[in-house]
Amino acid sequence: AQSVTQLGSHVSVSEGALVLLRCNYSSSVPPYLFWYVQYPNQGLQLLLKYTTGATLVKGINGFEAEFKKSETSFHLTKPSAHMSDAAEYFCAVTDRESGNKLVFGAGTILRVKS
Amino acid sequence: EPEVTQTPSHQVTQMGQEVILRCVPISNHLYFYWYRQILGQKVEFLVSFYNNEISEKSEIFDDQFSVERPDGSNFTLKIRSTKLEDSAMYFCASSEQGAGANVLTFGAGSRLTVL
Repeated sequence: AQSVTQLGSHVSVSEGALVLLRCNYSSSVPPYLFWYVQYPNQGLQLLLKYTTGATLVKGINGFEAEFKKSETSFHLTKPSAHMSDAAEYFCAVTDRESGNKLVFGAGTILRVKS
Repeated sequence: EPEVTQTPSHQVTQMGQEVILRCVPISNHLYFYWYRQILGQKVEFLVSFYNNEISEKSEIFDDQFSVERPDGSNFTLKIRSTKLEDSAMYFCASSEQGAGANVLTFGAGSRLTVL
């Protein structure tokens, strides 16, 4: 069975600092990996996804994530945090055998301090 | 940009009452889903729906739950007799295709509070 672990339910960074949100997954077959963001009172919005090919994927709003098979990780980074990045971030996994049934992590709330 | 629309945004109901949560998926999408998030817990898959039938459901999706696409545009989730533990945020999603790499577009959610 697939699972996702997000280290840190809350992460706090200063504006302009590096953002690093951690995600580790388990999957018995090659995974498809996603990061979603949820702003207050809004739906889950896709930030980026990894399916095949290049292991470093770039998403919206300056975010990127690197798929590391050896570490079963898909950490999300952004070089310089902005106040508007404050939100909850969810890592999710699926695979081609699972249809579109996503398995989500518990989420990480990102706080950006001025 | 196309959106998935959910109504109501918040519903409060008494235990044992029936609740219907409504969703309007993106118009050219063929696959529809319900997920839920109990406060403080993970977002969990409930059910997927394609071609007017359930394609997959989780253990959570028991006989108290049902889904329907009544009119070609709406996609509904019905809970027949709500329990306290049904209190959660319910997310509707849709996608163009059913393959695993396809992206789901989620709605803003319907918060259900069962008293």
